[in-house]
Amino acid sequence: QKEVEQNSGPLSVPEGAIASLNCTYSDRGSQSFFWYRQYSGKSPELIMSIYSNGDKEDGRFTAQLNKASQYVSLLIRDSQPSDSATYLCAVMASSASKIIFGSGTRLSIRP
Amino acid sequence: DAGITQSPRHKVTETGTPVTLRCHQTENHRYMYWYRQDPGHGLRLIHYSYGVKDTDKGEVSDGYSVSRSKTEDFLLTLESATSSQTSVYFCAIRSGRDTDTQYFGPGTRLTVL
Repeated sequence: QKEVEQNSGPLSVPEGAIASLNCTYSDRGSQSFFWYRQYSGKSPELIMSIYSNGDKEDGRFTAQLNKASQYVSLLIRDSQPSDSATYLCAVMASSASKIIFGSGTRLSIRP
Repeated sequence: DAGITQSPRHKVTETGTPVTLRCHQTENHRYMYWYRQDPGHGLRLIHYSYGVKDTDKGEVSDGYSVSRSKTEDFLLTLESATSSQTSVYFCAIRSGRDTDTQYFGPGTRLTVL
């Protein structure tokens, strides 16, 4: 079992709709969770971090965390073509020394 | 921009040659990381450092070594490059300002022929 799992996609969403990206993790002791966006040929950039159960909103982005289910999600409201990218879920190991990444979900927003 | 640079940005080399990639940061961060990224595998941790001369292995450390003699520089060495090490290599730092958050350098595209 991979430590951080994501559906590789591609996930195709119409412009203006809500895109929902999901991630599960195996280390129950994990405390810090992140979503990164990566455009083709570029380095990953941080979108959201979340540390407590529940929702955290930042503009059009909402991160959701459920530690009991070991599940993290990212919602993107009013999806724009510029949101087309690969989204990486990342989890800090319970040892707090390293961050483990999922393989990413490719999101495509169609006009 | 977390003040991270990587050099070289692109390199083509031949099998069996040694290669060193450099990561340089300007903001005195304690933690530094080397990842490789390949299609279908996402980002995989090679080695990381938690201080000068303090390093540890990640999940794909075989064939790689690292050194950190100064806070600002973290070097990744392929002692004898193989074609399986063709990849994009990213350096990252962990910021003390934003709890646990990693920021990435621009990446190095390495091709081993």
